[in-house]
Amino acid sequence: GAGVSQSPRYKVAKRGQDVALRCDPISGHVSLFWYQQALGQGPEFLTYFQNEAQLDKSGLPSDRFFAERPEGSVSTLKIQRTQQEDSAVYLCASSLARGQGTQYFGPGTRLLVL
Amino acid sequence: KNQVEQSPQSLIILEGKNCTLQCNYTVSPFSNLRWYKQDTGRGPVSLTIMTFSENTKSNGRYTATLDADTKQSSLHITASQLSDSASYICVVNTNAGKSTFGDGTTLTVKP
Repeated sequence: GAGVSQSPRYKVAKRGQDVALRCDPISGHVSLFWYQQALGQGPEFLTYFQNEAQLDKSGLPSDRFFAERPEGSVSTLKIQRTQQEDSAVYLCASSLARGQGTQYFGPGTRLLVL
Repeated sequence: KNQVEQSPQSLIILEGKNCTLQCNYTVSPFSNLRWYKQDTGRGPVSLTIMTFSENTKSNGRYTATLDADTKQSSLHITASQLSDSASYICVVNTNAGKSTFGDGTTLTVKP
């Protein structure tokens, strides 16, 4: 029973570069969440998928952030034209159902934008 | 801005001692409250979950309490161990499935 995996674990990008962060949820989990966690703070919600449908993207901070889950399994969070304020840990979580089930988190991708 | 406030921000205790972490929230409509443990460089792991009707829940040396009237929760850790050093995050979920995370309490257990 593998848990949630994320790749890469660390990413250093120059300001203006595009990055793509990958999340492999637990097999069979319908719900998938992306969070942004700044140093010393709790995770902040970015977006939510139910299967392949992106039902809530209210937390995405700008139109430079884009997420997809085309086949209802693996998800990719893309950040275009990265800025220094994008530096954070990006956490992915999956669960059987939104709100009711336990969210299982991946280890996160630590993004540093120089 | 943050509807889930945790205190203290950080805490240092000696191994074997007990401690209590606090969480106050204003999130509504309330569905459930979870406490997570986040080790450095790892994702959060769920410790306990409580719904509106529950006022205490234990998981080994961890005991969580909930007062839904005053919108307060606490996490009590008994006989602390070095491995308890981590950030403890309080999360409140609404009926719509929205999760609001606190900023966590960083606990350091020293030998």
